[in-house]
Amino acid sequence: EVQLVESGGGLVQPGGSLRLSCAASGFTFSRHWMHWVRQAPGKGLVWVSRINTDGSSTTYADSVKGRFTISRDNAKNTLYLQVNSLRAEDTALYYCARRSTSYSYGMDVWGQGTTVTVSS
Amino acid sequence: SYELTQPPSVSVSPGQTASITCSGDKLGDKFVCWYQQKPGQSPVLVIYQDTKRPSGIPERFSASNSGNTATLTISGTQAMDEADYYCQAWDNTGVFGTGTKVTVL
Repeated sequence: EVQLVESGGGLVQPGGSLRLSCAASGFTFSRHWMHWVRQAPGKGLVWVSRINTDGSSTTYADSVKGRFTISRDNAKNTLYLQVNSLRAEDTALYYCARRSTSYSYGMDVWGQGTTVTVSS
Repeated sequence: SYELTQPPSVSVSPGQTASITCSGDKLGDKFVCWYQQKPGQSPVLVIYQDTKRPSGIPERFSASNSGNTATLTISGTQAMDEADYYCQAWDNTGVFGTGTKVTVL
């Protein structure tokens, strides 16, 4: 079964850090670009970051640039998002998503999300 | 930064057609995807490359993209289609639309 499972979320104080993980299974992880997308409570989807297949190219939304770092370990089939200098507005459900190789740039597999809450 | 604007809500009667618009500057020059998200669930890709349906997505879902507007159309809307829908495109970065809640009355 093709699956993405996020972990690493939690409650953190403003200015704090977390490392989110996304474990992939059921497909050849190293062949797919990967994304992080977040959703604040009751709000819409917001694209956060993407990484290419070997990790040599990354892109970030302006709102997280310089604070978040996306990376991957193809040997471990795992995607990461290091989130630093957290702010209240970073509170959200963070999804990892696979960029399809069949459906032109579409994100065809999503995890269930991991929740980050930034509060003192 | 690039923005995609959708109507907050659309209401439709069962069996009728629902249309959801997504507006952005020169959006027709970009490829648009559409995602469906039901309450408490992760998003599902329903349209890619402007008009194409992934395997398993019903034929009642169709879409177009031209000029500054992309449109998702649900023909013969069913109760199970009640969900939030998001358009998405790529500028220098990924961008999602503001989202539209489809209510089947």
